[in-house]
Amino acid sequence: GENVEQHPSTLSVQEGDSAVIKCTYSDSASNYFPWYKQELGKRPQLIIDIRSNVGEKKDQRIAVTLNKTAKHFSLHITETQPEDSAVYFCAQANFGNEKLTFGTGTRLTIIP
Amino acid sequence: KAGVTQTPRYLIKTRGQQVTLSCSPISGHRSVSWYQQTPGQGLQFLFEYFSETQRNKGNFPGRFSGRQFSNSRSEMNVSTLELGDSALYLCASSPRTVPSTDTQYFGPGTRLTVL
Repeated sequence: GENVEQHPSTLSVQEGDSAVIKCTYSDSASNYFPWYKQELGKRPQLIIDIRSNVGEKKDQRIAVTLNKTAKHFSLHITETQPEDSAVYFCAQANFGNEKLTFGTGTRLTIIP
Repeated sequence: KAGVTQTPRYLIKTRGQQVTLSCSPISGHRSVSWYQQTPGQGLQFLFEYFSETQRNKGNFPGRFSGRQFSNSRSEMNVSTLELGDSALYLCASSPRTVPSTDTQYFGPGTRLTVL
């Protein structure tokens, strides 16, 4: 079945440096991989997503890479800013399926 | 467009009671999914509704149920509440206009506390 492992669980990064969060999945049928950011007391917000026919996607300071062979995908945040501090969740879904299976989350803290 | 809305935002119930939560999707979105978020179990999928039909269901007991109306609004119901049902219940909507998985947008959630 679907299972998503996310590492690390906590990450502290100096402002201006880069942050990388990695997720691995087990289901070969997985083909949709979104990343959500959740600030304290707020709703999860989609920050970027990637589908299995693409290896990399970038949106300004945020990028996601996908390695289908190794079954892992990563979130890269460059030039981190204090407002990047939040909990980040990776997720996966199978083709045509709206059921998202989430990772356990990474608490990212940006140190000014 | 207005975002996904959920009512009520906070609820306090006692064990054994039942509760109904409501979700209004983004205008034009036809799919509504429900998730439970707890510190211990994280974000877990409850079920998805599309065209008033349950399309997918997670691993939750039958006490958890839902429905969708013709205007795509959805409700979920939890009967015989247990202490462990205390959680943030999130709904998410998506257009569901493509065969592949569509982007889901979350509502602010309903914080349920069971005493």
